[in-house]
Amino acid sequence: AQSVTQPDIHITVSEGASLELRCNYSYGATPYLFWYVQSPGQGLQLLLKYFSGDTLVQGIKGFEAEFKRSQSSFNLRKPSVHWSDAAEYFCAVMNTGFQKLVFGTGTRLLVSP
Amino acid sequence: DAGVIQSPRHEVTEMGQEVTLRCKPISGHNSLFWYRQTMMRGLELLIYFNNNVPIDDSGMPEDRFSAKMPNASFSTLKIQPSEPRDSAVYFCASSPDQETQYFGPGTRLLVL
Repeated sequence: AQSVTQPDIHITVSEGASLELRCNYSYGATPYLFWYVQSPGQGLQLLLKYFSGDTLVQGIKGFEAEFKRSQSSFNLRKPSVHWSDAAEYFCAVMNTGFQKLVFGTGTRLLVSP
Repeated sequence: DAGVIQSPRHEVTEMGQEVTLRCKPISGHNSLFWYRQTMMRGLELLIYFNNNVPIDDSGMPEDRFSAKMPNASFSTLKIQPSEPRDSAVYFCASSPDQETQYFGPGTRLLVL
């Protein structure tokens, strides 16, 4: 069965510093990969997705993610974090041909002044 | 465009009562999903529909839970009778292409 691991429960980053959130997946083939962000009391907003092609994908709000097949990873990055980026970030995987999203446990990002 | 609409946004009820959560997907989307989010179990898919037909309900926790989609613009998730362990945030999501899902704001349910 496919699974997603987000090893960091919490991360604190200074405003203006760079950010990398880790995501590893377990799946036999190349799955569809997603990053969602959830602000407190809100629903999930899609940041970016990877289906195929260029392994570096650009998303909204200045985020990007890189798919590395050899490492089964899909890490999320941002070069300069803003205080408004404080939220919970979820990595998710979907079987190609199916529609079931499997989510990681999330990483809560705190941004310090 | 309006996103996915869920109602109510908050629900407080007593154990044993019936609870009905509602969802209006984005117009033109042909897939609809119900998720539950708890601290202990994270985000779990409960059930999803394609073209108003339930495709996979393996995530529905037990017979107390039921979901319907009578038409392309409306779905309900019902819990009867409700129990305190059902307290969670319930999200509805819709998709136009069986790939990308767009989430609603959620319904925060508290069962006392």
